[in-house]
Amino acid sequence: QVTLRESGPALVKPTQTLTLTCTFSGFSLSTSGMCVSWIRQPPGKALEWLARIDWDDDKYYSTSLKTRLTISKDTSKNQVVLTMTNMDPVDTATYYCARTPGAVAGLDYWGQGTLVTVSS
Amino acid sequence: EIVMTQSPATLSVSPGERATLSCRASQSVSSNLAWYQQKPGQAPRLLIYGASTRATGIPARFSGSGSGTEFTLTISSLQSEDFAVYYCQQYNNWLLYTFGQGTKLEIK
Repeated sequence: QVTLRESGPALVKPTQTLTLTCTFSGFSLSTSGMCVSWIRQPPGKALEWLARIDWDDDKYYSTSLKTRLTISKDTSKNQVVLTMTNMDPVDTATYYCARTPGAVAGLDYWGQGTLVTVSS
Repeated sequence: EIVMTQSPATLSVSPGERATLSCRASQSVSSNLAWYQQKPGQAPRLLIYGASTRATGIPARFSGSGSGTEFTLTISSLQSEDFAVYYCQQYNNWLLYTFGQGTKLEIK
């Protein structure tokens, strides 16, 4: 059974750095083709893909946010960590992690999401 | 960056009727397109990948078609549980995924 769960602070102040952790089970991120992405969704708005880390430790970032994002993995702990620097109120959103099992597949399993509010 | 444009923004359809949702890519994405359903307060659920392959457990009333830049999601006979927001997503550019802005499917 594949599950993913996001964790992190519910509230951050402007200019702070956000650190989110995706803890997963039911698959291994060392399996060839396996990838984990982070996606966010501001309240009432559309989904926005942020970053992806692959089984071979390749990393990819949204063009508009790449200077602020870092993604990493700890395969032994089954975790993927996303950091976002210089948080702003416009970054208030629900942050999701999701799995991609291969290059020709979609995001087939998602966490339930975690709402992050940026406010002083 | 590949831009995904969905239409219409809102679609009003009666239960039992057919719904057709569109997604257009700013450049060819081959068949590397997925559709997701999202209900209020829930994470998105994968419906279709590879433009036309239903994900595990997805009812046959959901079908996807298209390739290149034009794609369609069809729901053949709407059930009450199908009223939700639908997103398309391209993964042709392996370096950078993009989502459409969504279509809200509401009860007429």
